[in-house]
Amino acid sequence: DVKVTQSSRYLVKRTGEKVFLECVQDMDHENMFWYRQDPGLGLRLIYFSYDVKMKEKGDIPEGYSVSREKKERFSLILESTSTNQTSMYLCASSLPGQGNTIYFGEGSWLTVV
Amino acid sequence: QQQVKQSPQSLIVQKGGIPIINCAYENTAFDYFPWYQQFPGKGPALLIAIRPDVSEKKEGRFTISFNKSAKQFSLHIMDSQPGDSATYFCAASLRQGAQKLVFGQGTRLTINP
Repeated sequence: DVKVTQSSRYLVKRTGEKVFLECVQDMDHENMFWYRQDPGLGLRLIYFSYDVKMKEKGDIPEGYSVSREKKERFSLILESTSTNQTSMYLCASSLPGQGNTIYFGEGSWLTVV
Repeated sequence: QQQVKQSPQSLIVQKGGIPIINCAYENTAFDYFPWYQQFPGKGPALLIAIRPDVSEKKEGRFTISFNKSAKQFSLHIMDSQPGDSATYFCAASLRQGAQKLVFGQGTRLTINP
């Protein structure tokens, strides 16, 4: 079974604090993704990576950065949180090639106060 | 700009009924159309997917109908059960490039016993 693990499930942060969201997958997948899920907006792609140290911006990269130093690990970094970043963040991974299943983690709920 | 529009936002059906969730897309270059199912507290999981060279795909009680000329596709759930209660997302991606899925807004489905 593919497992995508998001270590922080629930976080509460103050405006301006820095946040690291970590994601680890155990299936040697090349592709990894970070999505943000908001009611009425669906899932929106923040960043994705198709190889170690490679990254590409998704549809909403502003206010976020990512790091992929090892194949199995993809981190989302919020340098200075704002209240509009309160959301659920979903990490995912897949093998390359259209049609390959994208596997999601269980999500990290971030509340910025 | 929402490239994939999903409706309805919420849906309540009696057990045994056939809920139908609709999606419309704009980009004719989309070539892969998956549906994801998400239970509360969990990440989305691939349910069923279709490519535009077929008009229908069935897996168990779940059926995707695809209308290429209308740029629409829909999910039907036959003999719906309370255990089908979840949020459903349609999505689309391009054949070329990385697997960047564009998601619809989501439909919260409730099946009443």
